[in-house]
Amino acid sequence: GAVVSQHPSWVICKSGTSVKIECRSLDFQATTMFWYRQFPKQSLMLMATSNEGSKATYEQGVEKDKFLINHASLTLSTLTVTSAHPEDSSFYICSVILGENIQYFGAGTRLSVL
Amino acid sequence: SQKIEQNSEALNIQEGKTATLTCNYTNYSPAYLQWYRQDPGRGPVFLLLIRENEKEKRKERLKVTFDTTLKQSLFHITASQPADSATYLCALEQGSSYKLIFGSGTRLLVRP
Repeated sequence: GAVVSQHPSWVICKSGTSVKIECRSLDFQATTMFWYRQFPKQSLMLMATSNEGSKATYEQGVEKDKFLINHASLTLSTLTVTSAHPEDSSFYICSVILGENIQYFGAGTRLSVL
Repeated sequence: SQKIEQNSEALNIQEGKTATLTCNYTNYSPAYLQWYRQDPGRGPVFLLLIRENEKEKRKERLKVTFDTTLKQSLFHITASQPADSATYLCALEQGSSYKLIFGSGTRLLVRP
């Protein structure tokens, strides 16, 4: 069965608005979650590491004030795209680690900014 | 800089044949390498992990090899089926941070 639940699967928003994406671990606690972004026909690019109870660690070039990450509980991490613009339109995916550094991914969220 | 390369051209094969996908990397010395499958509009799904001290690993119709001298991994699907059509990604661990770096993936199309 699914290990990670990601919601919503698809969202359309107007330019300038904020969008929140949720990532939940199912039936286990995840102290660490990862957030990726994937543009069409490109690889997954790690955006940030979400750490429960502490600040997220962002990859170089990712604006922390634009992509707000909150990991307030052991089963939930949220990514908020603030003041979204068309160039933020992408496929956002979260993952958790189980076992031997194997990552289990959510189904992804397709964001379209008009 | 660290780089992972996968053939960007789609691989088109006939059902029943063996598909072979390549992953090359530079400026890395990974302790292990992973392969994932990604279907359109979905998150990747883990397939296999192979460690640096393992030459080959198998799981049902899947086989992965890992040559740390050539800095290359080969991913084979034997007796391929149309349901195997997807994009296959290789990924390397980045240091000891549990972070993965992904290749851009190779799309496989298996014709009935």
